[in-house]
Amino acid sequence: AQSVTQLGSHVSVSEGALVLLRCNYSSSVPPYLFWYVQYPNQGLQLLLKYTTGATLVKGINGFEAEFKKSETSFHLTKPSAHMSDAAEYFCAVRPYNNDMRFGAGTRLTVKP
Amino acid sequence: NAGVTQTPKFQVLKTGQSMTLQCAQDMNHNSMYWYRQDPGMGLRLIYYSASEGTTDKGEVPNGYNVSRLNKREFSLRLESAAPSQTSVYFCASNHRRKGGYEKLFFGSGTQLSVL
Repeated sequence: AQSVTQLGSHVSVSEGALVLLRCNYSSSVPPYLFWYVQYPNQGLQLLLKYTTGATLVKGINGFEAEFKKSETSFHLTKPSAHMSDAAEYFCAVRPYNNDMRFGAGTRLTVKP
Repeated sequence: NAGVTQTPKFQVLKTGQSMTLQCAQDMNHNSMYWYRQDPGMGLRLIYYSASEGTTDKGEVPNGYNVSRLNKREFSLRLESAAPSQTSVYFCASNHRRKGGYEKLFFGSGTQLSVL
């Protein structure tokens, strides 16, 4: 089965700094890849999805992710962190069936 | 537009009791999922259903059963609850459109405590 590993359960950045959240997947065939965000006491919201084609995927709220097949990675970035970005971020993978798996999550803290 | 409706929101069980978590979506989605969320472990897939009448095991199916009786509803049953099943449970349905657009819609969650 597919699996996804998120490196770093907690990431802390200063407001205005670069956000980098890491995600690696295990698969011999590139699956569909997603990033979801969960704000405190809320459900998960889709940030972005990679299918095929362009390796740089732009999502909502200024986030983007780059698919690197050679590294089996799909890291999430944002050039300048905002206080409102504080949340938990989940990478997810779905192969060509319907089995959607999530990583353990990375909690992002943004310091003023 | 209700989206994904999950009931109950909270439940306390004693070890060995049974219960069914209900989930319904009104968006005509084919795929539905049950996850549990535990601190430090993210969301773990319990079962999923690709379409009406089909179900498949996910990462952590032991101790659970599911039913997809129609397109709208996907229920999760705990036959004999154990303290290890204390968790927050989320139901989700998957919206897919031609062109690759895809998004999971989540219910508001069920906080289950097993004493």
